[in-house]
Amino acid sequence: QSALTQPPSASGSPGQSVTISCTGTSSDVGAYNYVSWYQQHPGKAPRLVIYEVTKRPSGVPNRFSGSKSGNTASLTVSGLQAEDEAEYYCNSYANSYTGSDNWVFGGGTKLTV
Amino acid sequence: QMQLVESGGGVVQPGRSLRLSCAASGFKFSSYAMHWVRQAPGKGLEWVANIWYDGSKKYHADSVKGRFTISRDSSKNTVYLQMDSLRAEDTALYYCARDGQYGTPYAFDVWGQGTMITVSS
Repeated sequence: QSALTQPPSASGSPGQSVTISCTGTSSDVGAYNYVSWYQQHPGKAPRLVIYEVTKRPSGVPNRFSGSKSGNTASLTVSGLQAEDEAEYYCNSYANSYTGSDNWVFGGGTKLTV
Repeated sequence: QMQLVESGGGVVQPGRSLRLSCAASGFKFSSYAMHWVRQAPGKGLEWVANIWYDGSKKYHADSVKGRFTISRDSSKNTVYLQMDSLRAEDTALYYCARDGQYGTPYAFDVWGQGTMITVSS
């Protein structure tokens, strides 16, 4: 299973919005609504910010939103704040032709505020 | 509160074995599938393995298939990763993560702080 494709970097000014894309295939992102996004600050464990493409776990600000079209998922961060500066990773569930479950991550996007 | 604590990391020679442990607390461990995810120094996240809530099914990434084995002991609230035939490219911080199952299915909603494995002669 190949990694999902994310841009290496993204940036925006405080208060602005930024969108990060995540491109997969018809076997992962395009096949299932099980795309999730993770925020990781330096030296910290990842934190779930979006699951099932559009849903936010409790405690995650509504400035974070997700969407999907075809084989590409997107994470939008609105009203950027300094604490949003972090690495962001997308992930998709997939089921291989052999019937094995697997999960594939994107390469990560460094968001600079 | 929900917590995952990994242990067992260290420096190991290529070809040798190591077993990682992840102790869970603050939730009903036996109801949740669990994962291992790794991150090589300065690199991105890579999913490694998954085990169902009851241990009945296990899945491993192609990069570790045949060398790594995930298992669990619900009496100890612990998930393990047995790593055999270790290679330099297995050097990474290994995270244990919970599958959101009912609340956040197929997503990793609780993470440990990780345990570092360095494979070097």
